[in-house]
Amino acid sequence: GQQVMQIPQYQHVQEGEDFTTYCNSSTTLSNIQWYKQRPGGHPVFLIQLVKSGEVKKQKRLTFQFGEAKKNSSLHITATQTTDVGTYFCAGPFMDSNYQLIWGAGTKLIIKP
Amino acid sequence: NAGVTQTPKFQVLKTGQSMTLQCAQDMNHEYMSWYRQDPGMGLRLIHYSVGAGITDQGEVPNGYNVSRSTTEDFPLRLLSAAPSQTSVYFCASKPWDRGEKLFFGSGTQLSVL
Repeated sequence: GQQVMQIPQYQHVQEGEDFTTYCNSSTTLSNIQWYKQRPGGHPVFLIQLVKSGEVKKQKRLTFQFGEAKKNSSLHITATQTTDVGTYFCAGPFMDSNYQLIWGAGTKLIIKP
Repeated sequence: NAGVTQTPKFQVLKTGQSMTLQCAQDMNHEYMSWYRQDPGMGLRLIHYSVGAGITDQGEVPNGYNVSRSTTEDFPLRLLSAAPSQTSVYFCASKPWDRGEKLFFGSGTQLSVL
């Protein structure tokens, strides 16, 4: 069945270091979304990518959608304590307008 | 606007008990959905609705019922709680005609003993 794999599961970084999470789909996606969930919180929408090869930036966050529309990445430059949380990717399940299939998330942990 | 409101925030049940998780949104969103989140896993869709009177199953519907009598409310019923239903439950909504962005409630942490 359709799967969305997200790696790594955890990433420990020193504050100021960069962070990257990767999302790989078993099928071509019409779009991909990224969400952030702070500890104890709920997922909050960050961005949606639609076009093949699309790159979007939000301040220190850079989102990419692969040329084949099967993979995506989120890169954070110079992490800050406010970046702590779990980052999820999600794409349409079987091209549905109604259902998303989610990656398992990457937890960003800032080393003390 | 309050957005998406879920109650209760925490609940402990005994095996076999039933209960209803409440979800209400004040954004006039047509689409509403319920997810469960388990450690190390992404969110999994339980049920969803695209409007009043219309519901459908998601990935993990067994043991749960829903109904949608109004645009605002989308309750999730656990018929006979089992320990496997221990999880964090999120309600989410979105407008039908303005993109895919989901708005989430703050969640309900459910423990079934």
